[in-house]
Amino acid sequence: EAGVAQSPRYKIIEKRQSVAFWCNPISGHATLYWYQQILGQGPKLLIQFQNNGVVDDSQLPKDRFSAERLKGVDSTLKIQPAKLEDSAVYLCASSPLRRAGASYEQYFGPGTRLTVT
Amino acid sequence: TQLLEQSPQFLSIQEGENLTVYCNSSSVFSSLQWYRQEPGEGPVLLVTVVTGGEVKKLKRLTFQFGDARKDSSLHITAAQPGDTGLYLCALKTSGSRLTFGEGTQLTVNP
Repeated sequence: EAGVAQSPRYKIIEKRQSVAFWCNPISGHATLYWYQQILGQGPKLLIQFQNNGVVDDSQLPKDRFSAERLKGVDSTLKIQPAKLEDSAVYLCASSPLRRAGASYEQYFGPGTRLTVT
Repeated sequence: TQLLEQSPQFLSIQEGENLTVYCNSSSVFSSLQWYRQEPGEGPVLLVTVVTGGEVKKLKRLTFQFGDARKDSSLHITAAQPGDTGLYLCALKTSGSRLTFGEGTQLTVNP
């Protein structure tokens, strides 16, 4: 079974530029998550989709970050304009719809390392 | 204030040594997960613990959930270089959101 795919793996941009990341979740997984992981910290949830609807975007800085999952499959996360403090690894994860009694395991992609100079 | 506190933040040991890392919360949680993240990769789930006092073993890894369900530990016996990585604990908060601790960065030197 193919895992979560992300691209690009690395991106270097200057502050005030824009950038977009792409994620293709595991086939059949209804729920998709975007996390931000700053160096030396644990991942922090930015946004969660179930199919093509947003479930939780309470920690997404909406003045500069946006995300979409138009067809309920792959997703893009955009930052515009980028700031120095946005330098981090952006992780995408997916999980199937949770059935009663089932684990809530999330499957993570390898991430995109963003450097803002 | 962090919901989950992990300690130590960094740990560097020699191959063959034993170690324990900790995850603590001021709140009671219903279940907790441990993940390992290797450089350049995303976190991978190791175990989910749900019952107070529960102990789970995964080869040389032993996971324990505190009786009061406010703390958990991960013990590694005879560590190997392949155990090197960032060990993260996480708990499920609202909905299916996972909240992660800051992690313990483990380095096992050959």
